[in-house]
Amino acid sequence: QLQLQESGPGLVKPSETLSLTCTVSGGSISSSSYYWGWIRQPPGKGLEWIGSIYYSGSTYYNPSLKSRVTISVDTSKNQFSLKLSSVTAADTAVYYCARHAPRGDYADWGQGTLVTVSS
Amino acid sequence: EIVMTQSPATLSVSPGERATLSCRASQSVSSNLAWYQQKPGQAPRLLIYGASTRATGIPARFSGSGSGTEFTLTISSLQSEDFAVYYCQQYNNWPPHTFGPGTKVDIK
Repeated sequence: QLQLQESGPGLVKPSETLSLTCTVSGGSISSSSYYWGWIRQPPGKGLEWIGSIYYSGSTYYNPSLKSRVTISVDTSKNQFSLKLSSVTAADTAVYYCARHAPRGDYADWGQGTLVTVSS
Repeated sequence: EIVMTQSPATLSVSPGERATLSCRASQSVSSNLAWYQQKPGQAPRLLIYGASTRATGIPARFSGSGSGTEFTLTISSLQSEDFAVYYCQQYNNWPPHTFGPGTKVDIK
């Protein structure tokens, strides 16, 4: 059974870079036909798609965040990562990693990790 | 960007009753729409994809319908474990994938 687990600092200072890693177990991140994505949810609010990456390295970003986001994949470690630069309090959220098929629905999710932006 | 809206924001339903949730897209997404259920402190759970196909392990009381810009999620007989927030998501035209704001189903 596929499992995804987010890891990274729970507290980031304003203007710094948020960095998270998603470790995939129970399956290979190099499996063809799957994309690996990041989605966030501010406390008490809805879901916002951040971006996705294909195992080959092709990336797709939310235009609203594109200038600050980098998603990368490390197939040797079966991990993919998120970097979000110049964070503000508005970036405080639970960050989820997830897998989606080419059609775009997310069947597999990590448990989520809360990242708070505060000095 | 395709904007998704959902109605109502909150739906109060008694156990055993039927719940009907609506999702609308700002432009056609064909049948490229998914529904998710989210309970407090948990990740979203995929219920429906392709507007009407139940995901693996999803009970038959959940059904989806619609195409184009108007979609419906129906829960035929609400069980206690169904009280949650439900989100729709389009994946017809991406990036970005876009989600609706959610409908909270609570106990009447």
